[in-house]
Amino acid sequence: AQSVTQLDSHVSVSEGTPVLLRCNYSSSYSPSLFWYVQHPNKGLQLLLKYTSAATLVKGINGFEAEFKKSETSFHLTKPSAHMSDAAEYFCVVISNTNAGKSTFGDGTTLTVKP
Amino acid sequence: GAVVSQHPSWVICKSGTSVKIECRSLDFQATTMFWYRQFPKQSLMLMATSNEGSKATYEQGVEKDKFLINHASLTLSTLTVTSAHPEDSSFYICSASRDETNYGYTFGSGTRLTVV
Repeated sequence: AQSVTQLDSHVSVSEGTPVLLRCNYSSSYSPSLFWYVQHPNKGLQLLLKYTSAATLVKGINGFEAEFKKSETSFHLTKPSAHMSDAAEYFCVVISNTNAGKSTFGDGTTLTVKP
Repeated sequence: GAVVSQHPSWVICKSGTSVKIECRSLDFQATTMFWYRQFPKQSLMLMATSNEGSKATYEQGVEKDKFLINHASLTLSTLTVTSAHPEDSSFYICSASRDETNYGYTFGSGTRLTVV
């Protein structure tokens, strides 16, 4: 069994300040973890992924995430928020032994204030 | 690489009619594609797994006869919403992958269905 918990449904930051979107997971086997971003009425775009290589993963648009097995966490961060970062963010886990099925978190809405 | 095209991006139909949504992997072969439904301000709900050359696998609670899925080739899966009703109005998204555990999924741009 696998599950994903995004700890904050809404996060609001000011432009230029750091962003932290939290994600905890559970998985019976070594998981692959992903962060996706979705802008209104759009599909999902892959930000970054962890697939058992380096635990600190760098993605697009200045985002990065650190896989911490001991804490079962995969939090998404960015040093300085931009207005264009305002969107919905999903943490996703895929287990190697679950026929490729993905489990989505409930999403975190990021608001960026000018 | 890894582009998934979904068409149409939006559609309005009358109650009782059927609507077909296409999902194509443009630059890779996808033996498996996934169909999701997303309600406003909610996460994605997996509806079914589409397998090339075989029947789709539906998640619990998803009506097979209402949401017909066909995976005719390694690059095309279709979702047909049959006898649509207003409660079927939603955002439908497909995804595909060459190797899901290493690459994750590439998502289509979604289809906004409105049934009037």
